[in-house]
Order: sequence, then structure tokens, then C-alpha cells
Amino acid sequence: GENVEQHPSTLSVQEGDSAVIKCTYSDSASNYFPWYKQELGKRPQLIIDIRSNVGEKKDQRIAVTLNKTAKHFSLHITETQPEDSAVYFCAASIRGTYKYIFGTGTRLKVLA
Amino acid sequence: NAGVTQTPKFRVLKTGQSMTLLCAQDMNHEYMYWYRQDPGMGLRLIHYSVGEGTTAKGEVPDGYNVSRLKKQNFLLGLESAAPSQTSVYFCASSFSLSGGARLIQETQYFGPGTRLLVL
Repeated sequence: GENVEQHPSTLSVQEGDSAVIKCTYSDSASNYFPWYKQELGKRPQLIIDIRSNVGEKKDQRIAVTLNKTAKHFSLHITETQPEDSAVYFCAASIRGTYKYIFGTGTRLKVLA
Repeated sequence: NAGVTQTPKFRVLKTGQSMTLLCAQDMNHEYMYWYRQDPGMGLRLIHYSVGEGTTAKGEVPDGYNVSRLKKQNFLLGLESAAPSQTSVYFCASSFSLSGGARLIQETQYFGPGTRLLVL
């Protein structure tokens, strides 16, 4: 069945450094890839998304890149700040449905 | 505009008890979803609905039932709770843009979650 693998499971960076989280998906027909941020005890919230007809998208310090050939997509956070500390989830749409498959999450710690 | 809301926020059940979790959205979204979140396992889809009066099974449906009698509400029921159902439950809603024959996914918006402990 469809699968999304997310790495790393935990990531610690110094404040001001960059962080990269990578996801690999199995369904070549997936066409929508959202990224969610979840702070402790809170709901997942969308931070950025990308569609299959675009290779890269940026929003201030956050960017997402998509390599359809390799079925990889990545979240890039530059100039990290302590408030970026959270769990980040990637997801990929499932062909012909309104469903996603989620990755297992990455716990990002930004050290001051 | 409250978005997606869930009740209750927290509940403790004994094994074998039943309960219903309520999800409500005021965004006129067509699609609604119930997920469970367990440590290290991300978000797993329990059941979902693509419209009023319709429901379908997700990845982990066993032990749960759902109903969507009104477009704005999606109920998740546990008929006989088990300790394995201890989890955080999230509801989400979404919509799609008209794309002709092509299905265009849009963002899912999540509720605040319900923490369930089954003893």
C-alpha cells in the first residue's frame, strides 16, 4: 500500500542554523504534499504545501522542494529560532481520493 | 468562525465502556476525517467522510464507528473501549476545488484534539 517515510525522527540544531527534513513517498500519482507543524499539546497546523506541478516553494524562512522522479520532498527551515521547536509531519495525497498518508514525524529542537 | 472544534477535550473510560466523540466544523467543508495519534506513529486515519450521509474506512477502523448525519458534524463512536484505544484523537475537515475530471486535494484543517485514556 501507500507509504511515506520521514527522516530524521529527531533533529537538534543550534539557533540560527538550517534544518532539513526529508520524506519519501511510494505512490507516483501523489500530487499534493503538505507539511504540518505540531507544538506540544496542540493541533497540527499547515505551514507550507506544494503540488506536483511545482519543484520548489518558499515562504519567508521555510521552503519545500519536490523531486517527482525520485519521489522525495523536503522541508527546509533557515535561520532557525527557538519557536521553531516542534514536531513536523509531512504528508502525501493518495491517488483518486481525498486522503493523505502522513509520515511518522520529526521532533525538531532548536538550541539557544 | 470557530473552524474545527472537538468535544470532549479529555476523557477517562473503563474497559468496555462506550462513548462518542463529536467533531464540528463551520467552514462548510465537504470532507471530514478522524485520526488517532500515538507516539512515534504519526497520524493514522480511522474513518472519513466525503459528504453528508457517507462514511468510509481508513487505515485503522477496527473498534470504531462513525456517522455523518449533518454536513457540519462527524461523530466517532467507541462501542466497547479497550486499553489499545488510549490515544489522542484529531478530527480534520477539507474541501476541493472544481477540477473537472481531475481531483484537486486541498489542505486539511485540524481540530484541537481529544485525549482519551482507557483503563
